[in-house]
Amino acid sequence: RKEVEQDPGPFNVPEGATVAFNCTYSNSASQSFFWYRQDCRKEPKLLMSVYSSGNEDGRFTAQLNRASQYISLLIRDSKLSDSATYLCVVKVGSWGKLQFGAGTQVVVTP
Amino acid sequence: SQTIHQWPATLVQPVGSPLSLECTVEGTSNPNLYWYRQAAGRGLQLLFYSVGIGQISSEVPQNLSASRPQDRQFILSSKKLLLSDSGFYLCAYSGQTNTEAFFGQGTRLTVV
Repeated sequence: RKEVEQDPGPFNVPEGATVAFNCTYSNSASQSFFWYRQDCRKEPKLLMSVYSSGNEDGRFTAQLNRASQYISLLIRDSKLSDSATYLCVVKVGSWGKLQFGAGTQVVVTP
Repeated sequence: SQTIHQWPATLVQPVGSPLSLECTVEGTSNPNLYWYRQAAGRGLQLLFYSVGIGQISSEVPQNLSASRPQDRQFILSSKKLLLSDSGFYLCAYSGQTNTEAFFGQGTRLTVV
């Protein structure tokens, strides 16, 4: 079983709609959680950290469920520029080993 | 401010040739450093990580090696490249605590 698993998609989303997807992790000792965005042939860039109580950043909402070991990302009012691959990242251990999911592709259509 | 530099951006190398990719970080001390590889259409695979000078951990057996000669310098090397070494190589750094990681622009390596 992979340490971090994501639905690869693609999620085809009409512009203005809402899309949500999850990421599951296997290591209960995971300490920090993040969502990254990766555009085609570019490096991943931090989208947002995920806090235990859940957090919002504009149109993006992240949730953490430690009991079920998953995190989620919700994008409201999708823009064409939101088209990208979204990577779930889990940080494990005292020194912080980063484990990446394979990514969920989101395609926002006009 | 903290920045990370990785070069070159693209590289085409023949099979059997050596490889040296360099990554440097500015604006922070004693970072955790990482080398990842991403094959076309795939996720990021952790190759090496380092928590300090001279401390390198390898995640998977492979044709590559890494070194950290200075606190903010991380080098990925190979003595003889294989076709399967082709991919997108990414260097990243993070703080010592539970902080996020930041990536260099990546090196797209094609072994021919």
